[in-house]
Order: sequence, then structure tokens, then C-alpha cells
Amino acid sequence: SQQGEEDPQALSIQEGENATMNCSYKTSINNLQWYRQNSGRGLVHLILIRSNEREKHSGRLRVTLDTSKKSSSLLITASRAADTASYFCATVGGSNYKLTFGKGTLLTVNP
Amino acid sequence: DTAVSQTPKYLVTQMGNDKSIKCEQNLGHDTMYWYKQDSKKFLKIMFSYNNKELIINETVPNRFSPKSPDKAHLNLHINSLELGDSAVYFCASSPQTAFNTGELFFGEGSRLTVL
Repeated sequence: SQQGEEDPQALSIQEGENATMNCSYKTSINNLQWYRQNSGRGLVHLILIRSNEREKHSGRLRVTLDTSKKSSSLLITASRAADTASYFCATVGGSNYKLTFGKGTLLTVNP
Repeated sequence: DTAVSQTPKYLVTQMGNDKSIKCEQNLGHDTMYWYKQDSKKFLKIMFSYNNKELIINETVPNRFSPKSPDKAHLNLHINSLELGDSAVYFCASSPQTAFNTGELFFGEGSRLTVL
């Protein structure tokens, strides 16, 4: 069954602005991951945050995790046109080890 | 060098046919996966192999049969193709064992169209 739900489904911003995407999930997790998928391409891993972590940074990416609310957010700062892609959150459950994906957020960064 | 490579990239076939998609990874990973992405971009896990052993087998019709001849290869054979099988199929691999699932490395996908 589907675990993560991203919000919003689509986001359109101007270059230089920040983009925030949210993910909610239903059951306990071992870790939560964010992936990017450019149109017609495979998924690329961006960042992994474990259930005992609250925040993680990687370059222009900032991920937060709130296990009490079962939610995570991905912030992309100073966005670029090349950031245009679909972004997926994925969770690894506490009792199973499958990586389960949400439906994704389509981010469009306009030059 | 491509880390996870799938062939073919595109596959168009008639209903009722049998087809295979091949996947190879040169990363030395022990765990490999097949995911299906539908037209709404929803990704669903189908199978996972750890060192040639099947460890995840989701509720997938038995027309789908994975085969792992060695830990670097995971092929997907589909019998009696149906219209609903049209999707993009992604192969992935992971350095972790299935019991410590971390980052997945994905191939570029194989778009299957059943007419």
C-alpha cells in the first residue's frame, strides 16, 4: 500500500525562489528518502534522513523530519531551471524493508 | 560507465505476447529491485532480490517472473501481456542488504507499451 503522500502535487516558481515540498506518511519508519526524477529519466537519490534525525542538509537541499506528525519537508533554496523535475519521498517501514514511494510533486522552475 | 543499465529502453508489443527486460548493475551491490511506474507516475515495488535470492514478492500477477542468474543481473519476464501492463519498469540496486534499506540506484527505465 502507498505510504508517502506529497503535497503539493504541482509547484511552479521563479528561478531564485525557494521551493518547499511536503510528505506525509502513515506508519512508523526506519528512514525517509527524497528522490528526483527528470522527465523520461530514472530516479536519482537526493538525501536520506533516519527516524532519529530531525534535520539534514545537502548543498541547497534541507530536509526535516517530524516523526510525531509523520511528516517530512524538502526545501530547495535558490532554485534553478535545472531543478525542474518530479520529487518523490519514499519511506522504509519499521517492520518491513521495502522502499515505498509517494506520488510525487512536479516542480517547475521558470527562468 | 552506466551503473544500472536496462534494455530495452522502449518496447512496443501486442497483447498476448511474451517479453523480457534485462537489467545489469556494475556497482557490486547485493540487492536489486524491479519497480513499476504507471501513467500517473506512481511507483510500486514488484520484486527484490538479495544475492540472487528472492526476498520481496509483492502482489504481482504470476505472469511476471523475475530471474537473477547472478547478483549483478535481474531480468524480468512477462508472459501473456495485457493492456494494463503498459508502464515504465525501473530496475534498481542497493548496497545495503534488504534488511537495512538505504539509497537505491535506479536505471533509466524501460517503457513498455502493449497494444
